[in-house]
Amino acid sequence: NAGVTQTPKFQVLKTGQSMTLQCAQDMNHEYMSWYRQDPGMGLRLIHYSVGAGITDQGEVPNGYNVSRSTTEDFPLRLLSAAPSQTSVYFCASRDDSTDTQYFGPGTRLTVL
Amino acid sequence: KNQVEQSPQSLIILEGKNCTLQCNYTVSPFSNLRWYKQDTGRGPVSLTIMTFSENTKSNGRYTATLDADTKQSSLHITASQLSDSASYICVVASGGSYIPTFGRGTSLIVHP
Repeated sequence: NAGVTQTPKFQVLKTGQSMTLQCAQDMNHEYMSWYRQDPGMGLRLIHYSVGAGITDQGEVPNGYNVSRSTTEDFPLRLLSAAPSQTSVYFCASRDDSTDTQYFGPGTRLTVL
Repeated sequence: KNQVEQSPQSLIILEGKNCTLQCNYTVSPFSNLRWYKQDTGRGPVSLTIMTFSENTKSNGRYTATLDADTKQSSLHITASQLSDSASYICVVASGGSYIPTFGRGTSLIVHP
């Protein structure tokens, strides 16, 4: 199993550009989520999904969109990047039998 | 509002020494508490999970305790190693919610 994979690892955007952060898992987990991590702050939930076709907002959803067309994939879209979105983004999937979240390696995003 | 507070914010110890990290929470209703280890540049990895009825749980040199009455948890690291240098994050899940509450983490540095 590859676990949770994320691409790209690093990205630099200009203000106003859009992009998609990719996330995939091969563990057949229903629950997937996106977090951002900023210095001095805890991980904050952006969006989550409890299964294919179902998504919901977390604590900080503004400026981000998600979709879940398959169990495996959960992309995060930045509609119009802003410097405030400079952060490290983590995707996670959860094993419901153990309530354990498995995190991807992260994407470090810089918006100029 | 659900909150998780961790202390200390940072800690420096010598290799071979023991240390204890603290986590206080105000999350209701309580479902479980998990400790994660996050190495620099990596995603968090689960160390232990504790439910309401559990007081102590060990994972190798890591021992977590939970006092549900005082809403406190601790993570004790025995005979520290250089590889223990990381951020340790306390996360509390609330029953009926898909949104866990993350602490800001304790940064541990182990010096030789």
